[in-house]
Amino acid sequence: QSALTQPASVSGSPGQSITISCTGTSSDVGGYNYVSWYQQHPGKAPKLMIYDVNNRPSGVSNRFSGSKSGNTASLTISGLQAEDEADYYCSSYASSSPYVFGTGTRVTVL
Amino acid sequence: EVQLVESGGGLVQPGGSLRLSCAASGFTFSSYWIHWVRQAPGKGLMWVSRINSDESSTSYADSVKGRFTISRDNAKNTLYLQMNSLRAEDTAVYYCAREVLRSSGSYYFDSWGQGTLVTVSS
Repeated sequence: QSALTQPASVSGSPGQSITISCTGTSSDVGGYNYVSWYQQHPGKAPKLMIYDVNNRPSGVSNRFSGSKSGNTASLTISGLQAEDEADYYCSSYASSSPYVFGTGTRVTVL
Repeated sequence: EVQLVESGGGLVQPGGSLRLSCAASGFTFSSYWIHWVRQAPGKGLMWVSRINSDESSTSYADSVKGRFTISRDNAKNTLYLQMNSLRAEDTAVYYCAREVLRSSGSYYFDSWGQGTLVTVSS
């Protein structure tokens, strides 16, 4: 199962909005509404930010939102803040293996 | 509070073995499917293995199939990963991760441990 494709890096100024894409196939992202997103600060464990494409767990800021179109899912961070600087990974349920992760995106707040 | 605490990592020679543990607390361990996910230094996340709630079903990534064995002891609230025939490419931080309850009809990891580092080197 190949990793989902994400841009290596995305950057933005405080207060701006950024969007991270996550491209898969019809066997994962396109085939199921089970895309999740995780935030990972250096040396820390991943933290769930979005599940089932566009749902936020309790406690996650509403500045984070998700969407999907065809085989590509997206995570949007609005009102970018310094604390949002981290690595972000998408994940999807996949027919050939329970889960596949994205290649990861480093978000930099300028 | 849900807690997952991994242990057992360390330095091992190529071809060697290691057993990782993941101690769970703060929830009904026996109700959840649990997974191992690893992250090589400077790299992304990779799903490794999963076990269902009653240990009747397991699954593995192709890269570890036949070398790694996942198991659990619901009486001790503990998950294990027995790793044999270790290779340099198995070097990574290994996380245990709780999958959302199967009855929810969804698929994602809602809790993660802090990870344990496995280094395979001579």
